[in-house]
Amino acid sequence: SQKIEQNSEALNIQEGKTATLTCNYTNYSPAYLQWYRQDPGRGPVFLLLIRENEKEKRKERLKVTFDTTLKQSLFHITASQPADSATYLCALTSGGSYIPTFGRGTSLIVHP
Amino acid sequence: GAVVSQHPSWVICKSGTSVKIECRSLDFQATTMFWYRQFPKQSLMLMATSNEGSKATYEQGVEKDKFLINHASLTLSTLTVTSAHPEDSSFYICSARDTDANYGYTFGSGTRLTVV
Repeated sequence: SQKIEQNSEALNIQEGKTATLTCNYTNYSPAYLQWYRQDPGRGPVFLLLIRENEKEKRKERLKVTFDTTLKQSLFHITASQPADSATYLCALTSGGSYIPTFGRGTSLIVHP
Repeated sequence: GAVVSQHPSWVICKSGTSVKIECRSLDFQATTMFWYRQFPKQSLMLMATSNEGSKATYEQGVEKDKFLINHASLTLSTLTVTSAHPEDSSFYICSARDTDANYGYTFGSGTRLTVV
């Protein structure tokens, strides 16, 4: 069956360090992968989209990599700040469907 | 950028009553909107795809008679939880996508429904 796996344990890091979150998937052939941020009691906010033929995408302090051989995406936040504390969701969209399927998300806590 | 407005942000209702949640695309037209449900520390689960001017497409296991979806215009979709019960208490979120796929999906702020 299709699975999207994100670490359920919270990631705790110190301010200024780089946070790296992982999204692994099985039995998918994603056309593209997206990362979202979700704050408690709020809807997700779109951050970045990366296509299957792209290896890396950057936006300000954010970087996403996409390895279709390893079936994995890494999401990096450089120079992390306490305001970056939130849950980060990855979502996959297969070529045959335009509707994304979401992982459970990983909570990031940045300590001052 | 695209904005999706969702109301109410929270609602408490009695068992057996119905609750309507509205989702509006403010600066773009959305022929398709999506309704999700999310339990604490769980993933967003797609409930249904709302199509303007036609019937919604429901995911397996979602009761279409209980969760009524209406998408009467290109900017408004509504979800009505009929005869609500405590087990319907959850966080409901709508989303839509503007035409530029590079911007992903835009979500509403969500509605916390509590049925007492």
